[in-house]
Amino acid sequence: ETGVTQTPRHLVMGMTNKKSLKCEQHLGHNAMYWYKQSAKKPLELMFVYNFKEQTENNSVPSRFSPECPNSSHLFLHLHTLQPEDSALYLCASSQVRGGMNTGELFFGEGSRLTVL
Amino acid sequence: QKEVEQDPGPLSVPEGAIVSLNCTYSNSAFQYFMWYRQYSRKGPELLMYTYSSGNKEDGRFTAQVDKSSKYISLFIRDSQPSDSATYLCASFTGGGNKLTFGTGTQLKVEL
Repeated sequence: ETGVTQTPRHLVMGMTNKKSLKCEQHLGHNAMYWYKQSAKKPLELMFVYNFKEQTENNSVPSRFSPECPNSSHLFLHLHTLQPEDSALYLCASSQVRGGMNTGELFFGEGSRLTVL
Repeated sequence: QKEVEQDPGPLSVPEGAIVSLNCTYSNSAFQYFMWYRQYSRKGPELLMYTYSSGNKEDGRFTAQVDKSSKYISLFIRDSQPSDSATYLCASFTGGGNKLTFGTGTQLKVEL
């Protein structure tokens, strides 16, 4: 496996379900991100982890819960979602050097989520 | 006003045409400017990366930043059908972790 891999690629869930999205990066990076991509909207940053510590939560509803057990793995736990949460969820990684982020992100292919 | 504005298209051009994709931004603190390319059902991939004003060329692609007018451009010469994708501009201050993306412009290069 190379780059950033996300599973599952597609997920359909009801509003009462609990599911998780998984992301793994094989690039040796120390920062990982969750982004939400909706049609005709800019990419929205949801969460950032630097060296496994959450450094940013961009006012995301509590029905989205991130977990970063180590610098290579990132999860997004989903529960009691709403239909408007249907979107492509993208994981990304980057290398932070000397506390500085270069803005060069490496994205996975995304998990397409549909909430019924 | 969005921090980064981008015409969503779609933009359709014939093969071999010169393509110009543009963004405007409002935050004067942006120092880094990027273009990401996203093929259908794929994640974005970094295409061009520039710091401050000026031009950067890589093969058929040229990125141009004019900080005085807050204007970001991507030019594609001799466009190919394989260039058909959505192009996302992004800007970054250099501090923190937040890139600000445009909505993306969908480009189709036709044979």
